[in-house]
Parts: sequence; structure tokens; C-alpha cells
Amino acid sequence: SAVISQKPSRDICQRGTSLTIQCQVDSQVTMMFWYRQQPGQSLTLIATANQGSEATYESGFVIDKFPISRPNLTFSTLTVSNMSPEDSSIYLCSALRQGGSMQYFGPGTRLTVT
Amino acid sequence: GQQVMQIPQYQHVQEGEDFTTYCNSSTTLSNIQWYKQRPGGHPVFLIQLVKSGEVKKQKRLTFQFGEAKKNSSLHITATQTTDVGTYFCVNNNDMRFGAGTRLTVKP
Repeated sequence: SAVISQKPSRDICQRGTSLTIQCQVDSQVTMMFWYRQQPGQSLTLIATANQGSEATYESGFVIDKFPISRPNLTFSTLTVSNMSPEDSSIYLCSALRQGGSMQYFGPGTRLTVT
Repeated sequence: GQQVMQIPQYQHVQEGEDFTTYCNSSTTLSNIQWYKQRPGGHPVFLIQLVKSGEVKKQKRLTFQFGEAKKNSSLHITATQTTDVGTYFCVNNNDMRFGAGTRLTVKP
């Protein structure tokens, strides 16, 4: 298994500011993903964090709004830029180990934008 | 990719009753995964189905993959309060989650 931690676990931010969420995996993984989950809703994939190259974004998500870094095989960050109340959500990172198909999820970051 | 459609959205059962959630895709899936998310928690992997017509069991949980690989189901026999949560199917081709079925169990 892989243990994933996220920081911060929650935050309350003012509109117009930015927040960077960190995701740390306890072992090397091949793929890392970022999801958003509104309360009571399903998970929506934001992007795949690629190690050493630009992230691959899903339709409706852009790099300027959600810049992602992945400097190595165990760490990634997601920044939510120029936040608005509509960005209030839970943000989850997940990871896949090499040769595996099971996603391991972090505990999530609960973001509230006022 | 196409999101898999999942029904029902909610299911409330009496403890001991059975529960089933269904996923359907308009396109053939190479494989499908099921996850469970407890209230306040994060999704946890349950199983992956790959073969046409595949049936897998985990204690009281039975997972099926349709012959055409376009649908799947999760059946829980004799639900318990520990089964409470939201069950998601996931198209592993594109990591898209179904809408989920929220199960509540009345003791």
C-alpha cells in the first residue's frame, strides 16, 4: 500500500488569494492525480501530475487556474489561484504505484473561500 | 472518455436487507473499479474487474462485470451499519468516477 498525506487538511481563504496544497507519498509512485469533490458529490478529475513535465489537464481545468508541480516521484502540489467562493471544495490527491491500477487517496484538503 | 452512469443516487435500507448499485457505460470498458468512501473519509479501493462476465466476491460483497463489458454491479448481502458510505464505480481508462450511490443503513 501507499500512505499519502496532504497539507493543509483544511483552510479558509479570502477571494482573490491563492492556496497551495501539498501531497506527499511515502513511496515512489508512477502517476499522481488531483481531484475535486464538492460536498455530497462525486470526484472530478482535475489533472494528472506528470513527473518532470507539465501536468495533463481535464476539460474545464486550466493551468493558469490550477498550476501543478511534481518535482519528484513522491511529491506534488496543486495551487488554486485567484480563488472565488465557487472553488470551495475538497481537493484530493491520489497515486498509482508502478504496475498497479489501484488508486491510493490522500485524506483531502477542505477549502472554504469567503 | 465517457463518464459511467451510476444508479441509484441514494439507497436507504434496514439493517439486514440487501443492496445493489449499478453502473452503465455507453462504450465498452477495458476494466472497471469500485471504491467506497465513508462519510468524512477518502475513497478506498475495493476491487477491479477486467474480464467479460467476471464475478468476484468479498465476504458479503459481490461484484459483476457484464458480458459486453458495458455494465457492472455491486451487491451487498445482509447490510450492516458498517456498510454505510458512498460506493463509486470508476472507468479505469480515464479515471472518471461515477456519480456514486450513497448507502445509509437503519439499525
